[in-house]
Order: sequence, then C-alpha cells, then structure tokens
Amino acid sequence: NAGVTQTPKFRILKIGQSMTLQCTQDMNHNYMYWYRQDPGMGLKLIYYSVGAGITDKGEVPNGYNVSRSTTEDFPLRLELAAPSQTSVYFCASSQQGINYGYTFGSGTRLTVV
Amino acid sequence: GQQLNQSPQSMFIQEGEDVSMNCTSSSIFNTWLWYKQDPGEGPVLLIALYKAGELTSNGRLTAQFGITRKDSFLNISASIPSDVGIYFCAGQGPYNNNDMRFGAGTRLTVKP
Repeated sequence: NAGVTQTPKFRILKIGQSMTLQCTQDMNHNYMYWYRQDPGMGLKLIYYSVGAGITDKGEVPNGYNVSRSTTEDFPLRLELAAPSQTSVYFCASSQQGINYGYTFGSGTRLTVV
Repeated sequence: GQQLNQSPQSMFIQEGEDVSMNCTSSSIFNTWLWYKQDPGEGPVLLIALYKAGELTSNGRLTAQFGITRKDSFLNISASIPSDVGIYFCAGQGPYNNNDMRFGAGTRLTVKP
C-alpha cells in the first residue's frame, strides 16, 4: 500500500498565483486532514473532511479551499498565493478520527515569492 | 484556542542516555498522542493515550496521560542514534475530536 501520497513535493509560486496540492490515500480512510507546518512550530489544521462531500474548517482556513468528491482524494487549493502561505503542507488520513492515529503524507514544501 | 506547551525545545544527549520531554495545556484533552518526525517526512505515530493516568509503553518509549488531563510526558530509555528527530505531542478534544492540536516539538540530537 502507498498510504498517503502528496504531490508535488516542492513548488515555488509567485504572489497571486494559484495552485492545487494533491493528496490521495489508498487505505479507505473516511477522515482526511490538511495541516501546515511553519519553521519551529507544530502543525496547524487548515481543513478536514469526515467523508466524501463533507468538509470543515480547522484552525487556519483563510486563503485555502478544499473539496472531497471521493473517499481517496482531498485536494487543497490556494487561490491567490501570499508569502504568508510559505510553509510545509501535510495531508493525513485516519480510519475513524483521532483515536486511531493519523497516517501522514511526506509533505509539500511551498515557497511563495 | 487550546495551546500546547512542549519542552524542552531541543536536547543534545549522548547515546545510551535516557530522555524525557513533556507537554502541558491550558485546557483538558480527551486523547494525548506522541509523534516522531524524521527530516523530509511526515510525523509518525509513536504512542496514543486515551485515559487520564494511563501509562503506556512501546519498546524503549513510555508515555503517560496526566491525571489532570492537561499534560503528558514521553520518556525514551537507552537512546540510540536513530532516535534523532523531532518529537511532537498532540492533543484532541474535548469538544471537537477532529481538531488535533500539536506542540511545537522537541528536537532530539543523539551523539554516538
């Protein structure tokens, strides 16, 4: 099993550009999450989804959008990239929420210049 | 929102030494978890704790869920070079089980 796969691994964006960070999991997990990790900081929750067609905001949702049309995929969209969105982004999934622990992808390092 | 304070920020130890790190919160959690992150990778779950007072071991790792539900510690015994990495505590609940909060991490360096 591949687990949680994130693409791309690295990306440089110019201010105002848009992009989609892809996340897919092959474990049939219902729950999926997007986190960002800034240097020297813990992970902060951007958005999460408890199943296909259902999404909800986390701690830091501003500037991002998500969709969950299938169980496997949970893309994260940046519409107007800003330098404050320079970060490492992690996607995660779990079977039934946190009590089962999360499986994380290996991250996407995004730089906005 | 709930804030987690993790300490120490970093540790430099000799191989074979024991390590202790802890996490405190201003409010209670239902679940405490400890993750390890290697460079260029996502965090990997080490231990999950579900009940106040619970003490759980996973090999050389031992973690406890504080009786007040506002703190947790992780101990690593007889450290080895592959223990190097960043260790994160994380707490969940009590109101939204889907909003897991992370500490800022403890960066562990083990000198052979």
